[in-house]
Amino acid sequence: KQEVTQIPAALSVPEGENLVLNCSFTDSAIYNLQWFRQDPGKGLTSLLLIQSSQREQTSGRLNASLDKSSGRSTLYIAASQPGDSATYLCAVVTGANNLFFGTGTRLTVIP
Amino acid sequence: KAGVTQTPRYLIKTRGQQVTLSCSPISGHRSVSWYQQTPGQGLQFLFEYFSETQRNKGNFPGRFSGRQFSNSRSEMNVSTLELGDSALYLCASSLAPGGDQPQHFGDGTRLSIL
Repeated sequence: KQEVTQIPAALSVPEGENLVLNCSFTDSAIYNLQWFRQDPGKGLTSLLLIQSSQREQTSGRLNASLDKSSGRSTLYIAASQPGDSATYLCAVVTGANNLFFGTGTRLTVIP
Repeated sequence: KAGVTQTPRYLIKTRGQQVTLSCSPISGHRSVSWYQQTPGQGLQFLFEYFSETQRNKGNFPGRFSGRQFSNSRSEMNVSTLELGDSALYLCASSLAPGGDQPQHFGDGTRLSIL
């Protein structure tokens, strides 16, 4: 059974810092990996999707990498802003179209 | 383009009752998935529908069921509600199943069981 782990569970950084969030998964037979953010009381906003054949994806200040063979992904956030404060979730798709989610990293960016 | 719409946003029920939640996918999206989010278990997959057929089901009891209509809108039903069913229920849509399309989520229905 696929298990997805995110470290750290919580992270506080001062505004302007670059930071890395980590995600690991146990079964490397994935179709893709997706990073989401969730604001309190809200649904999930898709940030980046990396296909299993890709190594990384970039969107603005966000860069996600994927090392499928080692079962790891990282989300790099450059020049963090208070508006980046949220819970970040990674999820992998294996076989059918269902996502296996990690437990998330709660990020706080301090002004 | 409108996003995924879930109704109602909040719902309060008592044990033993049943509930129906609704999800309207993004226009053109034909695959709809449902997830349950709780503080203890995180986000867990419930089921996925495509072309009015359930394609995949998570590890939940038979009290949890769903369906999809010809316009791709989906409903999920929970019967004989238990306290542990209190959760945020999220719906996600994608263009098609198969894992190569991103899933887009609604804001969820928060269900509270008294």
